[in-house]
Amino acid sequence: IAGITQAPTSQILAAGRRMTLRCTQDMRHNAMYWYRQDLGLGLRLIHYSNTAGTTGKGEVPDGYSVSRANTDDFPLTLASAVPSQTSVYFCASSDSGDGANVLTFGAGSRLTVL
Amino acid sequence: AQSVSQHNHHVILSEAASLELGCNYSYGGTVNLFWYVQYPGQHLQLLLKYFSGDPLVKGIKGFEAEFIKSKFSFNLRKPSVQGSDTAEYFCAVNAADRGSTLGRLYFGRGTQLTVWP
Repeated sequence: IAGITQAPTSQILAAGRRMTLRCTQDMRHNAMYWYRQDLGLGLRLIHYSNTAGTTGKGEVPDGYSVSRANTDDFPLTLASAVPSQTSVYFCASSDSGDGANVLTFGAGSRLTVL
Repeated sequence: AQSVSQHNHHVILSEAASLELGCNYSYGGTVNLFWYVQYPGQHLQLLLKYFSGDPLVKGIKGFEAEFIKSKFSFNLRKPSVQGSDTAEYFCAVNAADRGSTLGRLYFGRGTQLTVWP
């Protein structure tokens, strides 16, 4: 079934550790996004990529980095995790980066930083 | 910066009641508008969208939304809710004519809908 695969589905992490959340899509979508979902705050965009080889900062990029080496993969890295990064992280993709296409979301990665 | 406001944080209804969830946004240009739904334990999925044309759009499962440009609103409605509509609903907005933020979708904080049988 075509879609987005995120890994891990859940992780508990000690503060200060490095963590990479993986995201792979098989729909050949140009654009990919990382959001975090926090209770009462909805979804906030962390980073995005309109096409392979390019990335951009969203609303809350601090403490996160991304790379887009190819069309399918868009990993999100926390270089040194802090408790405020405890959240549910959703990867999404769309056919283009102009907002005129619907986002397809992954199932999410629940991260707890202690 | 753009912002999206959802007025109701938690709505509780009985089955067969009518639903209206409010959504307002702050951007004066051309927008694309979306409602996404997240059922318990699942990821977000599209409920309906508005790009242009008829301001009354119909989505899946009997939902509809009306774009009122003068009010910067895109309220979600359903005439008769069911228990299976229990979920969190997110309004989202994208600036369709702004190069620097093209493609960036801004979400509201969400409204949790609970429907009791």
